[in-house]
Amino acid sequence: AQTVTQSQPEMSVQEAETVTLSCTYDTSESDYYLFWYKQPPSRQMILVIRQEAYKQQNATENRFSVNFQKAAKSFSLKISDSQLGDAAMYFCAYRSLQSGGGADGLTFGKGTHLIIQP
Amino acid sequence: EAGVAQSPRYKIIEKRQSVAFWCNPISGHATLYWYQQILGQGPKLLIQFQNNGVVDDSQLPKDRFSAERLKGVDSTLKIQPAKLEDSAVYLCASSLGVDTGTDTQYFGPGTRLTVL
Repeated sequence: AQTVTQSQPEMSVQEAETVTLSCTYDTSESDYYLFWYKQPPSRQMILVIRQEAYKQQNATENRFSVNFQKAAKSFSLKISDSQLGDAAMYFCAYRSLQSGGGADGLTFGKGTHLIIQP
Repeated sequence: EAGVAQSPRYKIIEKRQSVAFWCNPISGHATLYWYQQILGQGPKLLIQFQNNGVVDDSQLPKDRFSAERLKGVDSTLKIQPAKLEDSAVYLCASSLGVDTGTDTQYFGPGTRLTVL
């Protein structure tokens, strides 16, 4: 079974600064997807960014980018020019592509609470 | 486009009572998931449906939890009888169900269950 570990329960950053959230995972599979989801207080979880394991190029989405180190099984999220609206819980998630039968439920980490200081 | 709808948003029950949650996925989405999110933890998959068939229920506590998706659209998750440790937010998500790799899972607002 796969596991996802987020070792930072809480992070704080000044508005307009850059912050990096850490995620490591454990798997014996070679093909999979990794995701970062954002869960604002009392609001729905939304997808921030995804990374295919077979792609060496790191994914980027506007101010959000990842540092994917497959050999190290590391998948960090960098948020540039932090904004007040970025305040939320951030979850790292893993999706197997080898479960068979179409099973593709996500395995989540415990989350990192991101605080933006004005 | 309407998102994933869930009801009720909040529910408080006594232990040993029964409770049911309802989910309506995004129109046209074949795959539906139920996750359990205990306070301070990430969501954990309980069950995945593809249309009206179960794809994965390996983490569903089948002695007390049941779920159905009879017509391949709406789904109901039931707990009978509830225990204190079932207090959590129950999240429903849906995806197109076309490509396992690239499909995005869209989440509903969740139902917060408190068992007293």
